[in-house]
Amino acid sequence: GNSVTQMEGPVTLSEEAFLTINCTYTATGYPSLFWYVQYPGEGLQLLLKATKADDKGSNKGFEATYRKETTSFHLEKGSVQVSDSAVYFCALSETNYGGSQGNLIFGKGTKLSVKP
Amino acid sequence: DGGITQSPKYLFRKEGQNVTLSCEQNLNHDAMYWYRQDPGQGLRLIYYSQIVNDFQKGDIAEGYSVSREKKESFPLTVTSAQKNPTAFYLCASSIGPGTPGNTIYFGEGSWLTVV
Repeated sequence: GNSVTQMEGPVTLSEEAFLTINCTYTATGYPSLFWYVQYPGEGLQLLLKATKADDKGSNKGFEATYRKETTSFHLEKGSVQVSDSAVYFCALSETNYGGSQGNLIFGKGTKLSVKP
Repeated sequence: DGGITQSPKYLFRKEGQNVTLSCEQNLNHDAMYWYRQDPGQGLRLIYYSQIVNDFQKGDIAEGYSVSREKKESFPLTVTSAQKNPTAFYLCASSIGPGTPGNTIYFGEGSWLTVV
């Protein structure tokens, strides 16, 4: 079945460091890919998404490129801030040909802590 | 403001009790979802509904029930048959299937603890 694997945390970085959180997926069809962020005690917020191969999603300095050849969607940011401390989830949206079932398959999440 | 409202934020349940978590959205979305979040396990789908008066089981539906009588409401009942209900519950909604890049939006979540 469809699945998402992301690097285990926690990840601890100093402010202004470069961030990479790896995410790979297994899927049939043509899934859309997402990164969500969860701050402590809150729900999930959409960070960015990509709907087809070679698309790059970007938001708030974060980027991820949909790589079909490597089945990956790695999250990157050039310079992290303390306020980026959160849990990050990679997810895929299951699809049927010509449409989307809409349900999300999530990775287990990666906790990021950024120190001043 | 448009969004998804879950209530209560914190709920305590005694053994053998049923409890209901509320979820309301004013985004005019057709599809709604309930996920359960446990530490280190990510999110797992409990139930989803793609249209009013219709819903489907997700991966971990046992011990839960839902209804979808109105487009904006999708309450989740955690029954006494759910043996390990302590978790963080997240309600979500989306425009619906068939939309390219269908994005799911989440509420703030509800913490359920068995005492």
